[in-house]
Amino acid sequence: QSVLTQPPSVSAAPGQKVTISCSGSSSNIGKYFVSWYQQFPGTAPKLLIYDNNKRPSGIPDRFSGSKSGTSATLGITGLQTGDEADYYCGVWDSGLSDGVFGGGTKLTVL
Amino acid sequence: EVQLVQSGAEVKKPGESLEISCKGSGYRFTSYWIAWVRQMPGRGLEWMGIIYPGDSDTRYSPSFQGQVTISADKSINTAYLQWTSLKASDTAIYFCARATYSSLDYWGQGTLVTVSS
Repeated sequence: QSVLTQPPSVSAAPGQKVTISCSGSSSNIGKYFVSWYQQFPGTAPKLLIYDNNKRPSGIPDRFSGSKSGTSATLGITGLQTGDEADYYCGVWDSGLSDGVFGGGTKLTVL
Repeated sequence: EVQLVQSGAEVKKPGESLEISCKGSGYRFTSYWIAWVRQMPGRGLEWMGIIYPGDSDTRYSPSFQGQVTISADKSINTAYLQWTSLKASDTAIYFCARATYSSLDYWGQGTLVTVSS
């Protein structure tokens, strides 16, 4: 069981919008920044969103993040077949003894 | 350009020891944490532990405390993940990643460790 809870899978049609939730507690999401990672099969994860809602250079603005209380959400608009991947939320802070991940969500673009 | 380059795939027998490495380049190695993350076959990401090469401050996830050793040699910009006695359940891909204050911003390519008799 992962410390952060994500739905195992989500799906939507090309061009549509999808959201992926990440639920935690007051000791992780409620207190620290949330980050999101995208992983294609056979490759390393890639940082998609950091500090709840910031995008690293090169990440399109179709990807967005938000946080409220002890939950966070990743949003993807204008879905493309190339967005099919696994998405993970995570919490790490240098003041913590360790980080945590969600169980991951498989996105299918129908 | 920031890069983390991990050592190659390993095939080991149960009970054997192993050390895999992660070499950083393109940034000040001693100024960022290096995290290790496990991904078992078909499963999600698991946080194993993290080290700050600047002062070797090391923190382990409770699930991995006592099971592995994380170290770093700042003279050669390299972090390590070590096992003294591998088990079949250690079969997984292991990623290293550079940690900022709040996220893992650059990842190594992963090292596949296979433990089988």
